[in-house]
Amino acid sequence: DSGVTQTPKHLITATGQRVTLRCSPRSGDLSVYWYQQSLDQGLQFLIQYYNGEERAKGNILERFSAQQFPDLHSELNLSSLELGDSALYFCASSVGENEQFFGPGTRLTVL
Amino acid sequence: AQTVTQSQPEMSVQEAETVTLSCTYDTSENNYYLFWYKQPPSRQMILVIRQEAYKQQNATENRFSVNFQKAAKSFSLKISDSQLGDTAMYFCAFMKHASDDKIIFGKGTRLHILP
Repeated sequence: DSGVTQTPKHLITATGQRVTLRCSPRSGDLSVYWYQQSLDQGLQFLIQYYNGEERAKGNILERFSAQQFPDLHSELNLSSLELGDSALYFCASSVGENEQFFGPGTRLTVL
Repeated sequence: AQTVTQSQPEMSVQEAETVTLSCTYDTSENNYYLFWYKQPPSRQMILVIRQEAYKQQNATENRFSVNFQKAAKSFSLKISDSQLGDTAMYFCAFMKHASDDKIIFGKGTRLHILP
């Protein structure tokens, strides 16, 4: 158990819908990272938050957004969902010691 | 931009054998971290081993060891006395030496340990 929690574990929705994925980092970790794992693109970095502020952006679509709250949990919002958004979404956290701890992931299926 | 390449999409070995997974990377950075992550069927990402680029000594963790060749930008993983529980997807990954930075992953090698 990495100490990072993600909810829900599985999510099934329809095209055009909007969903929110939630991540709670390890106690004390200020950084939260979101990654997407899909069959065709592999594991890709989406976005990073540090202590409530956006720090880095990767290959994140404009339909996707994220935020980190004062209690340091983070949410990834995916809107206008397309079939190609079906993937495993990981959250990871770190306190800056150059090791990221991954949550169990949320499997999103868009039908 | 950094890239990580794993040239072996899939491998199979018999239980108790030794297997080596290959990884090459490209970067202009001098200080960085390299990782091997294991992803079993449960999909959890598990850190297997970590190497700091400024350390010449190869990292080892029990049955897992790496062969880090900085000049060649090569970072292979050796699994000794392989076990059925080693069956998983293995990802080679890179991270710059800075507090907080994204991890760049290779495409992965699917490893099957055969009984």
